[in-house]
Amino acid sequence: EIVMTQSPATLSVSPGERATLSCRASQPVFTSLAWYQQRPGQAPRLLIYDSSTRATGIPARFSGSGSGTEFTLTISSLQSEDFAVYYCQQYHNWPPYTFGQGTRLEIK
Amino acid sequence: ELQLGESGGGLVQPGRSLRLSCEASGLNFDHYAMHWVRQAPGKGLEWVSGISSDGRTVAYADSVKGRFTISRDNAINSLSLQMDSLRIEDTAFYYCAKDRIRFLGPNWFDSWGQGTLVAVSS
Repeated sequence: EIVMTQSPATLSVSPGERATLSCRASQPVFTSLAWYQQRPGQAPRLLIYDSSTRATGIPARFSGSGSGTEFTLTISSLQSEDFAVYYCQQYHNWPPYTFGQGTRLEIK
Repeated sequence: ELQLGESGGGLVQPGRSLRLSCEASGLNFDHYAMHWVRQAPGKGLEWVSGISSDGRTVAYADSVKGRFTISRDNAINSLSLQMDSLRIEDTAFYYCAKDRIRFLGPNWFDSWGQGTLVAVSS
């Protein structure tokens, strides 16, 4: 089973600033990586797939990068609605599909 | 508009059974594989099970294998999860999630329901 590790656990950033979230895989997953956003009390929402492709309707301020074992989600100019928990998920080696433990993005 | 709606959650004693359902609308349900993903309160996401569009291929996480059974009825756009021999550690919100294609494979989950809470406690 591939273990996904996200860092940091909590990230404090001011509105309008840039946020950079990291995700590491225990084995190479090539670019088989997705990012999800989960706002409080809501279901997860797909943001990025194939490491860098934005899902339908996702604003351009969200971008993903990386391959192999190291991945990054960048939010270029934080809006109030972006403060949430973010999860990465690998789908290269399945089952199981595995998620990181999440990064909580909070207002500084 | 695509909608996924889970139901069937509740409070149940350890060792008992529960059946979850997910009703889908706004999509060609029989065109897509479907999954169950759970989230213990305050914790992260854990994939539980997946099923291909025709129901012939299924997969389970080791933590539920032999206790949970996934199924679907394409005639009524419904996904189910039969959960037997429930344990305290099965307590979680259970989400149904849509795959991007028909087959189980290297895929992500592009739409999610709002979840239903299963609480296992004596």
